[in-house]
Amino acid sequence: GEDVEQSLFLSVREGDSSVINCTYTDSSSTYLYWYKQEPGAGLQLLTYIFSNMDMKQDQRLTVLLNKKDKHLSLRIADTQTGDSAIYFCAERPAYSGAGSYQLTFGKGTKLSVIP
Amino acid sequence: IAGITQAPTSQILAAGRRMTLRCTQDMRHNAMYWYRQDLGLGLRLIHYSNTAGTTGKGEVPDGYSVSRANTDDFPLTLASAVPSQTSVYFCASSDAYTGELFFGEGSRLTVL
Repeated sequence: GEDVEQSLFLSVREGDSSVINCTYTDSSSTYLYWYKQEPGAGLQLLTYIFSNMDMKQDQRLTVLLNKKDKHLSLRIADTQTGDSAIYFCAERPAYSGAGSYQLTFGKGTKLSVIP
Repeated sequence: IAGITQAPTSQILAAGRRMTLRCTQDMRHNAMYWYRQDLGLGLRLIHYSNTAGTTGKGEVPDGYSVSRANTDDFPLTLASAVPSQTSVYFCASSDAYTGELFFGEGSRLTVL
């Protein structure tokens, strides 16, 4: 089956930039997502990028997509302690027409921000 | 705005007991999903439903069943719980146009 890989841990100092990387295997991926999970909570969509885009910027967040290498990254500028969470990369294959979207998730990267 | 509501939030259960995790959405999404989250394994899809009246198996369906009698409700049943089903369970629904998944807050289940 399809696979999404990401490193499990990242530690940065407050005010620095964080870069979380992800690789995926499905060449038919149409959307790629970043979800954030805070302790004891469900996942919330942080941002997403269409597969025909190279970059998307949203305030402190920058998503870079290298479709050739199947590599996705999330950069968080000026990282704050409130950014401490688990970040999941997910890919969505081409729509099957059945009505559901069976995303494949990575195992999540736990970001720890040191004050 | 409620979104996805799951119940119970947390439950300790004896092995062999039957348990139903409830999930209700108020967004009128057609598609709904159940995931389990385990340390080191990430999120794995258990069952999904494309629309009311239909269900399908995900990556790890064994030991679980679901039903979708209407658009809003998607309960997950463990017929005879085993310790390996100790996990955090998340219900989700998806927007028909963007595919964005909306998650509930999770149900933490411990099977002893």
